[in-house]
Amino acid sequence: TQLLEQSPQFLSIQEGENLTVYCNSSSVFSSLQWYRQEPGEGPVLLVTVVTGGEVKKLKRLTFQFGDARKDSSLHITAAQPGDTGLYLCAGTVSGTYKYIFGTGTRLKVLA
Amino acid sequence: DTAVSQTPKYLVTQMGNDKSIKCEQNLGHDTMYWYKQDSKKFLKIMFSYNNKELIINETVPNRFSPKSPDKAHLNLHINSLELGDSAVYFCASSQVPTSGGSYEQYFGPGTRLTVT
Repeated sequence: TQLLEQSPQFLSIQEGENLTVYCNSSSVFSSLQWYRQEPGEGPVLLVTVVTGGEVKKLKRLTFQFGDARKDSSLHITAAQPGDTGLYLCAGTVSGTYKYIFGTGTRLKVLA
Repeated sequence: DTAVSQTPKYLVTQMGNDKSIKCEQNLGHDTMYWYKQDSKKFLKIMFSYNNKELIINETVPNRFSPKSPDKAHLNLHINSLELGDSAVYFCASSQVPTSGGSYEQYFGPGTRLTVT
């Protein structure tokens, strides 16, 4: 059974701090996505990474796909209260339409 | 314009009832999905349709039956509702995978189902 473990599960930090969220699996994925979900809404796609070792930046967010395409990380620089939310990674199972979602990281950034 | 819409937003019903949730997407996507998000926020795929054909059917009780009248709509019908069915149900859609195996999913706002 494919599983994507995220760590930490919960994170509460002060505005201006940096943080990293990890998404790990023993399975290889053809691509990996990161989503942010706010209360009462559906997940919203932040980024897709496809190539092993790929790094993508979205303003203060930096995403990296592991060389072996089994893991990924999300780094936020100078976190702001607007970054608060549930962060989900999701791996695409090669050759299928199937997504496997991670266990989620709930981030709270305090002003 | 709403890309993926679901109705209703909230659904409160009693055990044993039958209910349906509707989903529509106006993105022109070929593939649609139903997910269940539990109280711990874990998102698990239930079904997926590609051009009205069922392509993913996870281990879901057969009380759950998806119906796709056309590729823009995917409805979820639930028979004999149980307490454990209480969750938030999300519909999503995507294009077919690219050559790199990457495809982006767009989610609806969710339907919070409460079974009492």
